[in-house]
Amino acid sequence: AQSVTQPDIHITVSEGASLELRCNYSYGATPYLFWYVQSPGQGLQLLLKYFSGDTLVQGIKGFEAEFKRSQSSFNLRKPSVHWSDAAEYFCAVGDRQGAQKLVFGQGTRLTINP
Amino acid sequence: DSGVTQTPKHLITATGQRVTLRCSPRSGDLSVYWYQQSLDQGLQFLIQYYNGEERAKGNILERFSAQQFPDLHSELNLSSLELGDSALYFCASSVGRGPYEQYFGPGTRLTVT
Repeated sequence: AQSVTQPDIHITVSEGASLELRCNYSYGATPYLFWYVQSPGQGLQLLLKYFSGDTLVQGIKGFEAEFKRSQSSFNLRKPSVHWSDAAEYFCAVGDRQGAQKLVFGQGTRLTINP
Repeated sequence: DSGVTQTPKHLITATGQRVTLRCSPRSGDLSVYWYQQSLDQGLQFLIQYYNGEERAKGNILERFSAQQFPDLHSELNLSSLELGDSALYFCASSVGRGPYEQYFGPGTRLTVT
C-alpha cells in the first residue's frame, strides 16, 4: 500500500532563513507527487506537483521541490521564508493508474520566528 | 480561492443524527473527491465520483454515502453520527479521472455532540 512519511511534525525557523521539509514515500512505482499548504481554518492549497520530467519543480510562493527516485523522497524547499509561510504543509502521492486518490503524509507544522 | 465551494462551513449536530454536506466543483471539473481530516487519522480519502459515477472508494464507513448529480455538484451524507465523526470534511475537484492535480474547497467542520 502507498504511504507517505513526513518525519518532522513541527519545524521552527527564523524569518529569512532557508527551509527544507522532508517527505518520503513508499510506492511500487513512481507516483505522482504533490505538496499542499493549509493555513489555519483554510482548505488545502496546491504548492507544486511532479508528474514526470525535470526532477526539480517550481511552485507558487517561491517554493520548489526535488524528486529523488533513489531516495523515494520529494523534499520541499524555500530559500528565504516569510512570516506568512507559517502553516501546515502536506506531502501527497497519487496513483498513476487506477484510483486517483491522494494519500497524504501527517503534515509538518511550520512556525516562523520573527 | 480554489473555485471549489462547500456548504455549510460549520455544522453542529447530535449523535445519531444525519447531515448532508454539499460541494460544487470548479467550473469544468468532472471529478469530485471527498476527504476527512481528523487529528488522529489525518487526511483520509473517502470516495471519488467522475461525471456522476462512483470511481473509487477509500476508508468510507457504511454509514456514509455520497452522490454526484447531473450538474456535477456532490453531496456527502453522514448518518447515525457518532462523536468520532467530528472532523473537517473536504471536497476536491479535478479536470478528469486523473492523474490531475486536485483543488480543495474550504471544508466543512462537523462537530457531533
